[in-house]
Amino acid sequence: KAGVTQTPRYLIKTRGQQVTLSCSPISGHRSVSWYQQTPGQGLQFLFEYFSETQRNKGNFPGRFSGRQFSNSRSEMNVSTLELGDSALYLCASSLDGRGHGYTFGSGTRLTVV
Amino acid sequence: DAKTTQPPSMDCAEGRAANLPCNHSTISGNEYVYWYRQIHSQGPQYIIHGLKNNETNEMASLIITEDRKSSTLILPHATLRDTAVYYCIAGIMEYGNKLVFGAGTILRVKS
Repeated sequence: KAGVTQTPRYLIKTRGQQVTLSCSPISGHRSVSWYQQTPGQGLQFLFEYFSETQRNKGNFPGRFSGRQFSNSRSEMNVSTLELGDSALYLCASSLDGRGHGYTFGSGTRLTVV
Repeated sequence: DAKTTQPPSMDCAEGRAANLPCNHSTISGNEYVYWYRQIHSQGPQYIIHGLKNNETNEMASLIITEDRKSSTLILPHATLRDTAVYYCIAGIMEYGNKLVFGAGTILRVKS
């Protein structure tokens, strides 16, 4: 079966711009989670969506937002980019979002210059 | 979520069993132990999870001590492709729960 697809794979943006990242989950998976990975902070949870509703949110500023569509595809948006937002953004899908069996995508590498 | 402690790195000879320890002394009764791994330049990969009993699947075995304060992930016959960062996570299995990743253990499998 097809895995979790994240687009684009690489992105370079300028400070102050905004960016939208996309995630297509495995067919049938209704839970989509987003994580940020940096060398200094490691993997950190951003938010989780299930059936178009955000069920959980991590400790990130309001510049980070997301949404989920009726087909379970999800997008995350970062507004007013800062240099510190440079990271690998990972999306994970699962049937119900209960901690086990998450399938992660390969991520989007965002560089803010 | 309970905090987990893992050694920063371990080496293992190819073909031998890799035993990765994890300490979770503050784990509560309803928290599961999950293991994920991350191979360079890829997203994390789910390996196995358990609550009290030992678990085995096609990838690995998970041994949880009777007091549940520690566990060991066992890769029975490590290969070079098993070189990765291994994360031990303790958390409640509830809808929408986040995975709290620590620094993990870098496992280097050597020929």
